[in-house]
Amino acid sequence: SQKIEQNSEALNIQEGKTATLTCNYTNYSPAYLQWYRQDPGRGPVFLLLIRENEKEKRKERLKVTFDTTLKQSLFHITASQPADSATYLCALMGDYKLSFGAGTTVTVRA
Amino acid sequence: GAVVSQHPSWVICKSGTSVKIECRSLDFQATTMFWYRQFPKQSLMLMATSNEGSKATYEQGVEKDKFLINHASLTLSTLTVTSAHPEDSSFYICSARVRRTYDETQYFGPGTRLLVL
Repeated sequence: SQKIEQNSEALNIQEGKTATLTCNYTNYSPAYLQWYRQDPGRGPVFLLLIRENEKEKRKERLKVTFDTTLKQSLFHITASQPADSATYLCALMGDYKLSFGAGTTVTVRA
Repeated sequence: GAVVSQHPSWVICKSGTSVKIECRSLDFQATTMFWYRQFPKQSLMLMATSNEGSKATYEQGVEKDKFLINHASLTLSTLTVTSAHPEDSSFYICSARVRRTYDETQYFGPGTRLLVL
């Protein structure tokens, strides 16, 4: 069966440090992978999309890598700020449907 | 950017009543709309997919007679929870897909919190 696993449920880091989140998947052959941010009581907000032929993508302080051999994506938040505290979701398209991992909740301490 | 709205943002109802949730794409036409449900500390679970003018496709285990979806136009979809029960209490989120050249980005509404007493 298809699975999307985000390695940790929660991540606590000090302001200014880099947060690294992991997304592993099985039984998908995705053309692209997406990352979303979700704040409590809110819907997900699209952050980044990375295609299978792209190794790395950046957007401001965010960096995403995509290794289709390892079936893994890494999501980095550099120079983290308390405002980055949220749940980050990895998402993959399969059978024309977007499926999500359970998410990693990041808390950035001032 | 593409904006998706939902109404209401929260609703409390008595068991046995029906509740309708609206989802609108405000500044774009959505080829497809999706309805998700999210329980506390869990991820989003897709309930159904709908294309304008056609019947919704429901995921396995989702009762189509209980969760009625009407996709009336390219900018509006509604989800009606019929004869709601406490176990239907959840966070319902709609999403609309924007078709681009190489990918199909989905934009999400802010969600509707349903509490059935």
